[in-house]
Amino acid sequence: GQNIDQPTEMTATEGAIVQINCTYQTSGFNGLFWYQQHAGEAPTFLSYNVLDGLEEKGRFSSFLSRSKGYSYLLLKELQMKDSASYLCARMDSNYQLIWGAGTKLIIKP
Amino acid sequence: GAVVSQHPSWVICKSGTSVKIECRSLDFQATTMFWYRQFPKQSLMLMATSNEGSKATYEQGVEKDKFLINHASLTLSTLTVTSAHPEDSSFYICSARVGSPSETQYFGPGTRLLVL
Repeated sequence: GQNIDQPTEMTATEGAIVQINCTYQTSGFNGLFWYQQHAGEAPTFLSYNVLDGLEEKGRFSSFLSRSKGYSYLLLKELQMKDSASYLCARMDSNYQLIWGAGTKLIIKP
Repeated sequence: GAVVSQHPSWVICKSGTSVKIECRSLDFQATTMFWYRQFPKQSLMLMATSNEGSKATYEQGVEKDKFLINHASLTLSTLTVTSAHPEDSSFYICSARVGSPSETQYFGPGTRLLVL
């Protein structure tokens, strides 16, 4: 994606915590989205951050620092069903989503 | 709420034929719909943005005469791949947005197209 960087792949253990980082170009910013995409399926919305700080939703939390152009998705109490790709997307000044390439998360028992 | 459907889920067709994919917002009116294409292990690629009642805006490199988009109502947009070729085989996903531009996009389940 254009100026969206996230790791290609991560591995974690069932029951553990994992943090997926995303850095982005700070100009023309209107919010940061995280989506989950299981193999062969369409993305599903996880979170949206437009202000700095941490947003918590159950086992998933998302953090944003606008000055640093940095976000992370935190997944707690990992379950096997959390194995998926996690897509970071920045909304630009035209309200278009600029997508990262996604982070493939592999959960091991 | 915010359910988006796509039809068909799977299409297999011969080279040279045209394929129409429908995208519907089931429980809300979508002012804007988006069409994406995703090749295996790659990120989503925005093809075009369509607003109800007006012409779609295509991304650079996307042929508007090949990928025809019709957004006839606030709940339906269609993508027609004309004269499909094997290189058009991909996963096509639509999304819909309600209200203001900063609102969340909700995705349909996707349509997998295989052109033989």
